[in-house]
Amino acid sequence: DGGITQSPKYLFRKEGQNVTLSCEQNLNHDAMYWYRQDPGQGLRLIYYSQIVNDFQKGDIAEGYSVSREKKESFPLTVTSAQKNPTAFYLCASSMALRGGGKQYFGPGTRLTVT
Amino acid sequence: QKEVEQDPGPLSVPEGAIVSLNCTYSNSAFQYFMWYRQYSRKGPELLMYTYSSGNKEDGRFTAQVDKSSKYISLFIRDSQPSDSATYLCAMSADNAGNMLTFGGGTRLMVKP
Repeated sequence: DGGITQSPKYLFRKEGQNVTLSCEQNLNHDAMYWYRQDPGQGLRLIYYSQIVNDFQKGDIAEGYSVSREKKESFPLTVTSAQKNPTAFYLCASSMALRGGGKQYFGPGTRLTVT
Repeated sequence: QKEVEQDPGPLSVPEGAIVSLNCTYSNSAFQYFMWYRQYSRKGPELLMYTYSSGNKEDGRFTAQVDKSSKYISLFIRDSQPSDSATYLCAMSADNAGNMLTFGGGTRLMVKP
């Protein structure tokens, strides 16, 4: 089965701790993305990567970090510097140059920080 | 003003109704238009994709784009309770789609 997997589905952390969210895809897509979704809100772009070992900040990158060491993987770290980390985090991927903008999403990770 | 505006709803309709969901946008450079369906606590699923102006039909779903009015629509015919979800419009100016701009989503409830 081809697709995007995110783990874990639910994540609970104490304030002040860094936490890393996993995203893996086997679609052979070049580009990967991280979004944040708050209740009743649309999606806001955190980071994206078009190619291995390269990534760009999105609209709300502060307090987050990413890496892209493999084409299949794009983990997101939510650092203690992120002021409101509790949210639903979505990973997506696309064919970078020929995809026409189509992005495909994983099932999401719901992060709760107390 | 947001770049993409979408009525948040909720929109409640009886089963079998025709549903019209809409988005307006301000950036005339947008030329790739998408509709995503998102069930509660799930990731969005790409439902419809349209390039430039015109209509596209897929089963009970029809997507329309009017670039002159900066207005896109999704029509659902013979709506079913299983169509109950949040519908997100998204659009992009470039073929790579690295900067998709999303509407806030419209929550649809189809009552049996």
